[in-house]
Amino acid sequence: QQQVKQSPQSLIVQKGGISIINCAYENTAFDYFPWYQQFPGKGPALLIAIRPDVSEKKEGRFTISFNKSAKQFSLHIMDSQPGDSATYFCAALYSGPGGTSYGKLTFGQGTILTVHP
Amino acid sequence: GAGVSQSPRYKVAKRGQDVALRCDPISGHVSLFWYQQALGQGPEFLTYFQNEAQLDKSGLPSDRFFAERPEGSVSTLKIQRTQQEDSAVYLCASSLVSLRRLYNEQFFGPGTRLTVL
Repeated sequence: QQQVKQSPQSLIVQKGGISIINCAYENTAFDYFPWYQQFPGKGPALLIAIRPDVSEKKEGRFTISFNKSAKQFSLHIMDSQPGDSATYFCAALYSGPGGTSYGKLTFGQGTILTVHP
Repeated sequence: GAGVSQSPRYKVAKRGQDVALRCDPISGHVSLFWYQQALGQGPEFLTYFQNEAQLDKSGLPSDRFFAERPEGSVSTLKIQRTQQEDSAVYLCASSLVSLRRLYNEQFFGPGTRLTVL
């Protein structure tokens, strides 16, 4: 059962363009939605995250848009740079009653982003 | 300070061999996670430790998989009688324990790439 579905599988953009990656989830109990960036040979690293009580979160060139009713969220990378070329994963977790859950992450399938100079 | 380290980085095993993968978490991190990342897929949860206690092993795919963290720091993931379908990158992550609503970031190691021939 794929609880978090991610698209597209791969994405090619030109330097300076906007990269958009989409995710949809099924479990309405999820209440924390992080995005991870992974370079070849490295482990995933947290990029940005959002809770469902807000519709948008921006950190520098990275923005998460969240649509609770549609159970969808997306990552927008503005002014994409060649150094952004990596695999991006959306994820979700249920933090439990009063935040008591330990943080078991459910990941999407990943999007390979290539930014051409 | 050092991040999460894993060893070996690469492991080639013949089908039927036993393997042991090591994870050194960030010092002071109470929580430790193991994930399995198949080629071209997102990481999938295997098991979780809080200190030396294994609180969740629901993701372990079979009884050939065994994990331990006897002193609450270093952890070992052991796979007995390896099969070709066990070929994947095995990621370890650690975090501070969270007893509040705020999520504590998981820091991932670089992973061990296991190839079973």
